[in-house]
Amino acid sequence: ETGVTQSPTHLIKTRGQQVTLRCSSQSGHNTVSWYQQALGQGPQFIFQYYREEENGRGNFPPRFSGLQFPNYSSELNVNALELDDSALYLCASSLDGVTDTQYFGPGTRLTVL
Amino acid sequence: QQQVKQSPQSLIVQKGGISIINCAYENTAFDYFPWYQQFPGKGPALLIAIRPDVSEKKEGRFTISFNKSAKQFSLHIMDSQPGDSATYFCAASSNSNYQLIWGAGTKLIIKP
Repeated sequence: ETGVTQSPTHLIKTRGQQVTLRCSSQSGHNTVSWYQQALGQGPQFIFQYYREEENGRGNFPPRFSGLQFPNYSSELNVNALELDDSALYLCASSLDGVTDTQYFGPGTRLTVL
Repeated sequence: QQQVKQSPQSLIVQKGGISIINCAYENTAFDYFPWYQQFPGKGPALLIAIRPDVSEKKEGRFTISFNKSAKQFSLHIMDSQPGDSATYFCAASSNSNYQLIWGAGTKLIIKP
């Protein structure tokens, strides 16, 4: 059984650019949640995808968008990057919809200059 | 009402001692309370979790104590070891919602 994987590990972008982060869910999991973790803080929920549909969204602007594919892997897209978008972006997978136990990937460290 | 308040912000414990981290919540709809451990540069890893139908859950050296009436829960790490040095997060969620609400984290340092 493979765990949650994320790519890339690190990324440096400049303000105004666009970025795509990728996540492969744990085998058998159909739900993916994305979180933003600023340095020294707890993760903040961005949105969740369940069976390719957005299942809920946190307090993030529309320039944060996502996709889930038929194999349940997922992408997080951020447009018009701002300096405050610099953070660790975490992907978590779980078994079924609102099932509570979420398993996290190692994260993608995004730096916006 | 969605917040989870975690304390202390940082904690230093001698090797072999007991580490205690506390969390409090307001939303009575929360019905799942996990604790996550995070090492620098890594994603959080589920440590132990509890539901409100029990007041305590123990797994090895880790114990969650849950007080439903006070809306508080805590993590106890017995016989703390240097390898336990990490940041610990409490969180909460409800079965009718889709997101984990996280505490701000506690940086735990175990001194040899």
